[in-house]
Amino acid sequence: NAGVMQNPRHLVRRRGQEARLRCSPMKGHSHVYWYRQLPEEGLKFMVYLQKENIIDESGMPKERFSAEFPKEGPSILRIQQVVRGDSAAYFCASSPIRQGNNEQFFGPGTRLTVL
Amino acid sequence: DAKTTQPNSMESNEEEPVHLPCNHSTISGTDYIHWYRQLPSQGPEYVIHGLTSNVNNRMASLAIAEDRKSSTLILHRATLRDAAVYYCILPMDSNYQLIWGAGTKLIIKP
Repeated sequence: NAGVMQNPRHLVRRRGQEARLRCSPMKGHSHVYWYRQLPEEGLKFMVYLQKENIIDESGMPKERFSAEFPKEGPSILRIQQVVRGDSAAYFCASSPIRQGNNEQFFGPGTRLTVL
Repeated sequence: DAKTTQPNSMESNEEEPVHLPCNHSTISGTDYIHWYRQLPSQGPEYVIHGLTSNVNNRMASLAIAEDRKSSTLILHRATLRDAAVYYCILPMDSNYQLIWGAGTKLIIKP
């Protein structure tokens, strides 16, 4: 049973380009969460999605960032016109139900470097 | 802002027990206490969670103070593979947003 998969593992972009990060949740999980982690810091919640729905995007910057979780295929976190401050590790997690008091299963992360 | 307070780092010898403390003085009555750990260059990994009673699983034990304002994660016999950053986390009111602090970096000495 494959875990949460993220790709690419490493992504290098120049300022102004678009970054597209993919997350495939564990089989049977319909809830996806995206987090951002800066060096030496804990994770910061960005967005919570269910299939075809954004439930909570309160942690996501209002501009340049968007997320989706289509009926078919992986969840996508898209960052348009990247800036150096977007350099970070981006993790997605999935759960079989709304997290509540159940664990979230994390992917290995995508490390984005903006030159 | 994180709702928990943890020491920045701790050291322990291999094969010895490790007690990782966490203060959460503003915890509400329905907040579960979650522990995750993150090995270098990896995604976080669930360790354990609990509400009031002490909890045990194959990875660790969680001791929760009677007033629930603090808890301790116990690794009974640390190995080098347990070297990681350990996060004590309370959820936000929404119950799915996990609020992460900086965690405790656990260093295991051989």
